[in-house]
Amino acid sequence: GENVEQHPSTLSVQEGDSAVIKCTYSDSASNYFPWYKQELGKGPQLIIDIRSNVGEKKDQRIAVTLNKTAKHFSLHITETQPEDSAVYFCAANSGYSTLTFGKGTMLLVSP
Amino acid sequence: DVKVTQSSRYLVKRTGEKVFLECVQDMDHENMFWYRQDPGLGLRLIYFSYDVKMKEKGDIPEGYSVSREKKERFSLILESASTNQTSMYLCASSFGAGNYGYTFGSGTRLTVV
Repeated sequence: GENVEQHPSTLSVQEGDSAVIKCTYSDSASNYFPWYKQELGKGPQLIIDIRSNVGEKKDQRIAVTLNKTAKHFSLHITETQPEDSAVYFCAANSGYSTLTFGKGTMLLVSP
Repeated sequence: DVKVTQSSRYLVKRTGEKVFLECVQDMDHENMFWYRQDPGLGLRLIYFSYDVKMKEKGDIPEGYSVSREKKERFSLILESASTNQTSMYLCASSFGAGNYGYTFGSGTRLTVV
């Protein structure tokens, strides 16, 4: 089955800096790669996703890049703000409509 | 606002009890999922369902069962709760095949003592 590795496990940045979280996947058949943000006491929320026919996607301050040859994808957050502090999960589709998640990255943005 | 609602936010149960975790979605989604979330282990799939009365095992089904009698409701059952089932349980739903975007509930934190 699919295996998703995520790094780093924790990331501390100053407000205004950029943050990058990286994931690798194992199944070459995977073609959907979402990112979720989980704030304290809440369930994960989809923030951006990318499909395998696209190399990059942007939505305001966040962007995701995909390298299918190398089987890795990354989340980029620019001009970070304290409200970006949360746990971020990457995922890849596996099998029938299921997602395999990475172990998560705790992002802390200091004012 | 579309929602996935989990019936309990916090639960404390005793070892050996039968535990029911309920999840309801109002989006007419075909697929529903149960994950557990543990520190350092991320989200792991327990069971999922792609239609009423249908169920499929995920990566860690041992000690759990599920029930889906209605499209909007998906229940996770711990037949005999054990302390190693203390965890955060997350329910999610999505549209049918080919659409993988999940909507998650807020989670149920279960403690087994």
